[in-house]
Amino acid sequence: EAGVTQSPRYAVLQEGQAVSFWCDPISGHDTLYWYQQPRDQGPQLLVYFRDEAVIDNSQLPSDRFSAVRPKGTNSTLKIQSAKQGDTATYLCASSLSRDRDQDTQYFGPGTRLLVL
Amino acid sequence: AQSVTQPDARVTVSEGASLQLRCKYSSSVTPYLFWYVQYPRQGLQLLLKYYSGDPVVQGVNGFEAEFSKSNSSFHLRKASVHWSDSAVYFCAVATNAYKVIFGKGTHLHVLP
Repeated sequence: EAGVTQSPRYAVLQEGQAVSFWCDPISGHDTLYWYQQPRDQGPQLLVYFRDEAVIDNSQLPSDRFSAVRPKGTNSTLKIQSAKQGDTATYLCASSLSRDRDQDTQYFGPGTRLLVL
Repeated sequence: AQSVTQPDARVTVSEGASLQLRCKYSSSVTPYLFWYVQYPRQGLQLLLKYYSGDPVVQGVNGFEAEFSKSNSSFHLRKASVHWSDSAVYFCAVATNAYKVIFGKGTHLHVLP
């Protein structure tokens, strides 16, 4: 079974540039999460979806960050105008809500973003 | 509001030694508790989790953790570490299956 895949693996930007991150969850998983992990910190939830619907985006900086999952499968996280403070690893995870282990999230390898 | 504290940012042990990584949580109700491991350039992997029942839970690769309600703790243990256990370990807490709060992590370095 293929795991969660993410691309790109690395991104380097100047402040003010835009960037998109892409996530392909485990096939059949209905719940998808995006986390931000600053250096030497734990992951912090930004947003999560059930199928194509946003369930909670309360931690997503809505003025510059957006996330979509239009068909309930792959997802894209976009930063419109990056700031140095956005430097972090962006992790995607997925889970299956109907599974007995619905709380077990499977993580991708992440995208490491550096904003200069 | 929930929170989790991992008081040790870095731990160094020799191969074959026993290990304990500490985790303290704060929650108004008995939460879900997790330990995850993150190897270099990889995503997080679940080691073990606790909801209820036996306070000692077994995980993968010989890891176990003990829940203590009185101490609000969920410490991770291993009887004998291997150099390949070197990684970052995250304790996490949740009151539902989906909104998980992670600690800052403990970097474990195992000396060969």
